[in-house]
Amino acid sequence: ELKVEQNPLFLSMQEGKNYTIYCNYSTTSDRLYWYRQDPGKSLESLFVLLSNGAVKQEGRLMASLDTKARLSTLHITAAVHDLSATYFCAVIYNQGGKLIFGQGTELSVKP
Amino acid sequence: GEEVAQTPKHLVRGEGQKAKLYCAPIKGHSYVFWYQQVLKNEFKFLISFQNENVFDETGMPKERFSAKCLPNSPCSLEIQATKLEDSAVYFCASSPTRWEQYFGPGTRLTVT
Repeated sequence: ELKVEQNPLFLSMQEGKNYTIYCNYSTTSDRLYWYRQDPGKSLESLFVLLSNGAVKQEGRLMASLDTKARLSTLHITAAVHDLSATYFCAVIYNQGGKLIFGQGTELSVKP
Repeated sequence: GEEVAQTPKHLVRGEGQKAKLYCAPIKGHSYVFWYQQVLKNEFKFLISFQNENVFDETGMPKERFSAKCLPNSPCSLEIQATKLEDSAVYFCASSPTRWEQYFGPGTRLTVT
């Protein structure tokens, strides 16, 4: 059974600082996704990572994938308050499209 | 439509009552997925459909949960005899290929 683990689960940051969220998964998978969820809202797709060494960047967020280590990272650069949200990684299980989610990382960016 | 639509937004049921949730996928998408989010952060896959056919039902509790996707109708997820532990937000997602899922706004079910 595929398991996905994120750490940290809670992250309180100061504006302007950098930090990294880690996502480990237990078995081989074709695709890894990062989502953002604001309180009471749906999931917003941030990145999809398809291959070893893939790196994608959007604004202050950068995601990378190491399939050999079964590890993805979401790096936050110079955090701003607007980035406060819960971030989930998710991995496709087999070929069926079923997503297995990590526990989520609740990010709070304080001035 | 260009967005996944879910109704109702909120649903309150007494324990033992039936609950029925609806999902209209994006037009042209042939895959529909249902997920349950409990305790704010824990997502659990329930079931997926390819058109009207069940594709993967490995996450469905067999006893009280059922789901359908019929032609020209919204997909539905029904819970018979709800329990307190069914309180959660239920998300539907649709996809043209299985690989990129577009999530709806969710239905919050509260069982009292």
